Amino acid sequence: GAGVSQSPSNKVTEKGKDVELRCDPISGHTALYWYRQSLGQGLEFLIYFQGNSAPDKSGLPSDRFSAERTGGSVSTLTIQRTQQEDSAVYLCASSYYWGNEQFFGPGTRLTVL
Amino acid sequence: TQLLEQSPQFLSIQEGENLTVYCNSSSVFSSLQWYRQEPGEGPVLLVTVVTGGEVKKLKRLTFQFGDARKDSSLHITAAQPGDTGLYLCAGELRDYKLSFGAGTTVTVRA
Repeated sequence: GAGVSQSPSNKVTEKGKDVELRCDPISGHTALYWYRQSLGQGLEFLIYFQGNSAPDKSGLPSDRFSAERTGGSVSTLTIQRTQQEDSAVYLCASSYYWGNEQFFGPGTRLTVL
Repeated sequence: TQLLEQSPQFLSIQEGENLTVYCNSSSVFSSLQWYRQEPGEGPVLLVTVVTGGEVKKLKRLTFQFGDARKDSSLHITAAQPGDTGLYLCAGELRDYKLSFGAGTTVTVRA
């Protein structure tokens, strides 16, 4: 079956603009995670969704970041009023259930000019 | 502040040589995972170690979890160019969240 897909693969935007990043998880996976990977640093947890439960937003760095997951499937990560320090690769992962093996998408490379 | 420190940050070796990557922390983890990430792709899980002192082998790769479940190592025997990539360790915290190290970039020259 298809793996986790993310779009766009690359996004260049100007400081102050809003961006939306999309994640399509593996079909049947109930848990979905967003991470941020900056140069020279490991993956930083942002948010996760488990089924219909309230998402764990504890990793979101500021209120400019938000995410939603519609119908328990596709998820969108939105960054408002982007800053240069938001430049990073944003990775999405899904798993059958929270705590199971996570399968990662290829990421979206965001560059804020 | 990262809970897991990986060393070295970069490693370049000749094909056929051995290498070891270390992952250290002052925190105790429920389990520890190792991933390999190639350019333009997401990390792929290699192994999960759960028990203190556990050793797992995956072909030429040997993974060890420290007795106190605070540290781990990855040893590659007779490295090949296909082993080139970014190796990440990740510790599982009590709430199932993963805390990642910064990674070790391994380059194996033919």
